[in-house]
Amino acid sequence: EAGVAQSPRYKIIEKRQSVAFWCNPISGHATLYWYQQILGQGPKLLIQFQNNGVVDDSQLPKDRFSAERLKGVDSTLKIQPAKLEDSAVYLCASSLGTGHYEQYFGPGTRLTVT
Amino acid sequence: GESVGLHLPTLSVQEGDNSIINCAYSNSASDYFIWYKQESGKGPQFIIDIRSNMDKRQGQRVTVLLNKTVKHLSLQIAATQPGDSAVYFCAEMGAIKAAGNKLTFGGGTRVLVKP
Repeated sequence: EAGVAQSPRYKIIEKRQSVAFWCNPISGHATLYWYQQILGQGPKLLIQFQNNGVVDDSQLPKDRFSAERLKGVDSTLKIQPAKLEDSAVYLCASSLGTGHYEQYFGPGTRLTVT
Repeated sequence: GESVGLHLPTLSVQEGDNSIINCAYSNSASDYFIWYKQESGKGPQFIIDIRSNMDKRQGQRVTVLLNKTVKHLSLQIAATQPGDSAVYFCAEMGAIKAAGNKLTFGGGTRVLVKP
C-alpha cells in the first residue's frame, strides 16, 4: 500500500514570497491533516479535513495560510506571504475516518524562509 | 490549555538494554494515546496506541503503560537496537467525538542507542 505522498521535499524562499505544498493521502482515507513541525518540537495541527470539508482550522493563521481539498482526495497548503517564523517542516497525514484514529504521516516538506 | 509533555529530552541507552520514555498529559478527559517514532528527515511513524479504558498494551518489543490517576504515559522498548535511535513523541486525543478528533503532540524525547 502506497503511503502519504508530499511534494516538494524541500523549499527555500524569501520572506514575503508565496509557497504551496501538495499532499496525496493514502487511497481511501477520508480524513486529511496538515501539521507544522518547528525544529525540536512536536507537530502542531494546522487544519483537518473530512473528505472535502474543513473539520478544524482553529490553529491555522488564516491571514496568510490557506488550504483546500476540493475533490476530497489530494490537498494543497499555501502560505502567502511567508514570514521567517514559517520555517518548519510541513507534514501531511491521513486516516481512514470516523472511528479510526491512527494517523499515517508523509515525509514532510522542509520550508526555509530567508 | 491542555498539553502533553515529556520529562526527558534525551535518553542514552546501551544496545540490548531496555528503554523507558515517559510522558505527562494534562487533559483528564483524554481518551486515546499514541506513541510515534520519528527518524531524521522522515514523518512520524506509528508505534503503538492505547485507549483510556486500558492500562497496558503490548506490541512487538514495545509496551505502553497508562496511569490515569497521575496522568502519565510511558513507552518501554525491550532490547533496544541501533535502529531504535530516533525522536519519540507521545500524542493524546481528547474525549472521542463523532468527528473532528485531533491529536495533540508532546515535545519529543531523543533516544540515542550506544553500541
